[in-house]
Amino acid sequence: ETGVTQSPTHLIKTRGQQVTLRCSSQSGHNTVSWYQQALGQGPQFIFQYYREEENGRGNFPPRFSGLQFPNYSSELNVNALELDDSALYLCASSLTPRTGLTDTQYFGPGTRLTVL
Amino acid sequence: AQTVTQSQPEMSVQEAETVTLSCTYDTSESNYYLFWYKQPPSRQMILVIRQEAYKQQNATENRFSVNFQKAAKSFSLKISDSQLGDTAMYFCAFMKHLTSGTYKYIFGTGTRLKVLA
Repeated sequence: ETGVTQSPTHLIKTRGQQVTLRCSSQSGHNTVSWYQQALGQGPQFIFQYYREEENGRGNFPPRFSGLQFPNYSSELNVNALELDDSALYLCASSLTPRTGLTDTQYFGPGTRLTVL
Repeated sequence: AQTVTQSQPEMSVQEAETVTLSCTYDTSESNYYLFWYKQPPSRQMILVIRQEAYKQQNATENRFSVNFQKAAKSFSLKISDSQLGDTAMYFCAFMKHLTSGTYKYIFGTGTRLKVLA
């Protein structure tokens, strides 16, 4: 069973730039959630994708956007980067059955984004 | 609004000893899930244990067990026979339902646990 993978591992950008982070879901999973983890804090929910559509969103501005592809891989895009966007970005995959609740979320190793 | 509180920013324990990490939460939901995740310096968030609120029996996974007190909204993690590899940040998480029918996690601020040789 393949686990959740993310790329790149580290990324350095300057304020105002745009960035794309990638996530490959665990085999068999159809739902992906993205979280932002600032240094010394717990992860904060950004949004979730299910069947290639945004399925729920946290308190993040529209410059945070995402995509989910037919193979359930996903991207997180952030436009107009700000210094406060510096954080660890985690993606988590899970399986949403046809009925009922989603199963446990399994996390990737994260991408460390530094905005200068 | 749902919140998760971890009141112990840092803890330490001697190898082979037992340690308990505290977590309280606030919710008006009656059916939900609670989780403990471990995040070592490698950053990978690893599931330690999960508890369904409708189950009265406390979850157990090898050396890890929980004390789930639903009325008190308390969900503590007990680590028995602590090992050096248990050194990590531990996060308590509450599963909040989304209107779409799926859910997101709400995390506490974490407890940094150091196991001493």
